[in-house]
Amino acid sequence: EAEVAQSPRYKITEKSQAVAFWCDPISGHATLYWYRQILGQGPELLVQFQDESVVDDSQLPKDRFSAERLKGVDSTLKIQPAELGDSAMYLCASSPPRGNTGELFFGEGSRLTVL
Amino acid sequence: GESVGLHLPTLSVQEGDNSIINCAYSNSASDYFIWYKQESGKGPQFIIDIRSNMDKRQGQRVTVLLNKTVKHLSLQIAATQPGDSAVYFCAENGNTGKLIFGQGTTLQVKP
Repeated sequence: EAEVAQSPRYKITEKSQAVAFWCDPISGHATLYWYRQILGQGPELLVQFQDESVVDDSQLPKDRFSAERLKGVDSTLKIQPAELGDSAMYLCASSPPRGNTGELFFGEGSRLTVL
Repeated sequence: GESVGLHLPTLSVQEGDNSIINCAYSNSASDYFIWYKQESGKGPQFIIDIRSNMDKRQGQRVTVLLNKTVKHLSLQIAATQPGDSAVYFCAENGNTGKLIFGQGTTLQVKP
């Protein structure tokens, strides 16, 4: 069964350092999402891509976060510099061309701990 | 603003009993709702969805009920099993179409 791949699964870094997360969506899924999930809360959308274009990055803290999907396939989310409050699970999701459902398929996530 | 909430942060049920997880949403413009299950250390997993032109939808051991009058959504799990232990999130598509997640309910299944 096709899955959304994410790496690394776990990342521990010190504040002010740079960190990057990678996501490979399910083949054929044109829409890719990055969510942030703070422990005990629901996921919150950071950025949404349609192919290589950003559709929504209104909740992305652009002073320190950046995201790209250069060839419209895999994507990278970067944080520089990391802050203590960035500790969270970073989830990538993808969705098929809009059909009968709006279901998102999530990866296992990348858990970030900032010390 | 838009918000999706769940009535109870934790629900504890006996194995074999039926579970009912509730969700209240605030945006009357939402026309699509999803329930996700998230096990510890994993990403959310789709359970079932429903569109606003329906008030009930059934899956395997799960049923979602939608009451648009009071903006309430519920997930019913029949014959709850230990493997059902997880955090359950409801999500709505709001005004913009992007999914907005609630805070989650932790389901604990007692053997």
